[in-house]
Amino acid sequence: SQQGEEDPQALSIQEGENATMNCSYKTSINNLQWYRQNSGRGLVHLILIRSNEREKHSGRLRVTLDTSKKSSSLLITASRAADTASYFCATALNSGNTPLVFGKGTRLSVIA
Amino acid sequence: GAVVSQHPSRVICKSGTSVKIECRSLDFQATTMFWYRQFPKQSLMLMATSNEGSKATYEQGVEKDKFLINHASLTLSTLTVTSAHPEDSSFYICSANRDRGGRETQYFGPGTRLLVL
Repeated sequence: SQQGEEDPQALSIQEGENATMNCSYKTSINNLQWYRQNSGRGLVHLILIRSNEREKHSGRLRVTLDTSKKSSSLLITASRAADTASYFCATALNSGNTPLVFGKGTRLSVIA
Repeated sequence: GAVVSQHPSRVICKSGTSVKIECRSLDFQATTMFWYRQFPKQSLMLMATSNEGSKATYEQGVEKDKFLINHASLTLSTLTVTSAHPEDSSFYICSANRDRGGRETQYFGPGTRLLVL
């Protein structure tokens, strides 16, 4: 079953603009992760945020987590054409050997 | 960093044949590996949890007799799609958990694209 719902499903922006993607989930979680996937390729892990964290940064990425609303956002600042990809949030219910439950993803297109 | 490999990366087969996909953790041992499936333009869906030395745990709706999983060692899990049909065409991705001082980190393989004609 799928845990997360991402919005928007598709996003098209100009190079240099910021891109914001949102993810909502249904159950309590241990952590939430964001992944990027280029068309037809494997997953690239971007960032992990734990349930006791509210915000995390990594380069041009900023992730927030609101456990009371069961939602997270991924902000990509100063987007580049190379950021064009699908972005998925994934939740881990526990800290042990537990699979990730993926959201439906947002397809981001950055136009040069 | 930890690496998980999959082989083959791409396979085309005729309907009715069986296809084996290997998932290896290259520099760490993984007692648990996960198999996901991704249809075109969709998200990843968990198929099964592969446990070293014991039977796999399958998600609801995944036929265990069709998708055979063998986790024979701490670094290798195999997924065999038996009597593959065109509707089995998909992107299959495995992941392995690595214990890093009590914090589990999940590493994904590059995926195997299966096309059944």
